Amino acid sequence: QSVLTQPPSVSGAPGQRVTISCTGSSSNIGARYDVHWYQQIPGTAPKLLIYGYTYRPSGVPDRFSGSKSGTSASLAITGLQAEDEADYYCQSYDSNLIGWVFGGGTKLTVL
Amino acid sequence: QVQLQESGPGLVRPSGTLSLTCAVSGASVNSNDWWSWIRQPPGKGLEWIGEIYHTGGTNYNPSLKSRVTFSIDKSKNQFSLKLRSVTAADTAVYYCARVGYSDRSGYLDYWGQGTLVTVSS
Repeated sequence: QSVLTQPPSVSGAPGQRVTISCTGSSSNIGARYDVHWYQQIPGTAPKLLIYGYTYRPSGVPDRFSGSKSGTSASLAITGLQAEDEADYYCQSYDSNLIGWVFGGGTKLTVL
Repeated sequence: QVQLQESGPGLVRPSGTLSLTCAVSGASVNSNDWWSWIRQPPGKGLEWIGEIYHTGGTNYNPSLKSRVTFSIDKSKNQFSLKLRSVTAADTAVYYCARVGYSDRSGYLDYWGQGTLVTVSS
């Protein structure tokens, strides 16, 4: 059971908008530790997608955006493309566990 | 362009020690950066193992702390992981990565390609 909870799967048609939630608690997201997001295409290493809740590294399309509300964070993908099909992970820090924590991952299927 | 490359045995015997090295290019391990290890069991999610600074300072995942040791070799621009008393549960793809820091936690901005380590007799 991951400290950060993500839905196991989401799906959407090309061109649509999807969101992936990441629910934490008062010892991580609620304690105002930043949330970061990674994209992992099967068979490859994870790639940083969003850091500090909302910032995109150079080269990441602005179709990807992040947000926070209370003890949760969300990743939104607009204008869904076939190449977006991948696993997505959120990550933060937990003061109770005294370490970094990841969500369990969400598999995005582009229909 | 920062690049990281993991290397080490792909098979380790149960109760043995898993040893991996991460060679860094395009950046210096002697800089003001932390360097991290992460693992991913087959078909499962990511697990943070820990991080090391060029001074030798470390932060380990409490669940692995009793079995793991990191080291850093500035002359070779690389850092290493040792995990003792391994079991089948330690079978995973092991990644090394560079740590970036936002205001309120670290993130991993450059990753190695990963190396699969299988624990089996």
